[in-house]
Amino acid sequence: GAVVSQHPSRVICKSGTSVKIECRSLDFQATTMFWYRQFPKQSLMLMATSNEGSKATYEQGVEKDKFLINHASLTLSTLTVTSAHPEDSSFYICSARESGTVQFFGPGTRLTVL
Amino acid sequence: QKEVEQDPGPLSVPEGAIVSLNCTYSNSAFQYFMWYRQYSRKGPELLMYTYSSGNKEDGRFTAQVDKSSKYISLFIRDSQPSDSATYLCAMSGLASGGSYIPTFGRGTSLIVHP
Repeated sequence: GAVVSQHPSRVICKSGTSVKIECRSLDFQATTMFWYRQFPKQSLMLMATSNEGSKATYEQGVEKDKFLINHASLTLSTLTVTSAHPEDSSFYICSARESGTVQFFGPGTRLTVL
Repeated sequence: QKEVEQDPGPLSVPEGAIVSLNCTYSNSAFQYFMWYRQYSRKGPELLMYTYSSGNKEDGRFTAQVDKSSKYISLFIRDSQPSDSATYLCAMSGLASGGSYIPTFGRGTSLIVHP
């Protein structure tokens, strides 16, 4: 149990385009979902926390107009990187939790912006 | 001082060795402690989850929490090359608003060589 999927696993796009990443909890209802960014050999950097039906809470320094998060249902959250630029290239990972404290992570999405 | 300190390594051990991975923390409000394993270019996978002080064992893995010293450990017995990965500690406690958003260590890279 506790499976989280992400789609796509890899995406390459041109600078200026927008990219949407989906995160789904497959066998539980995720009241809270998290979006992280990870640079090579670095730890996870929390970008935002979202609760179903509410606006996401963004961490300091994360542009909410650039990284749009929608937690439309208890099993789906999306992250849209708007007007992507090469510096947005990174590994994006979502996680989800039903209740309590333990998070379960998705497999990640590698974004490359040319 | 960071809230969670974790030596990035790499830690290189021969196959069959007992591995000890550690984290220290400064926030005495942390109550929940987790260890995740992350293979290269994959999302983190939950290994162990403990609440408060004490030991927990699961197969070859043992997690220890010493709240008085603000120190947690993960032991891996009979280490295998397939254990080669980055191990992230994470911990959480009651924060403002009633949420338990984990704080992650930067991860320790483990290499188990045949």
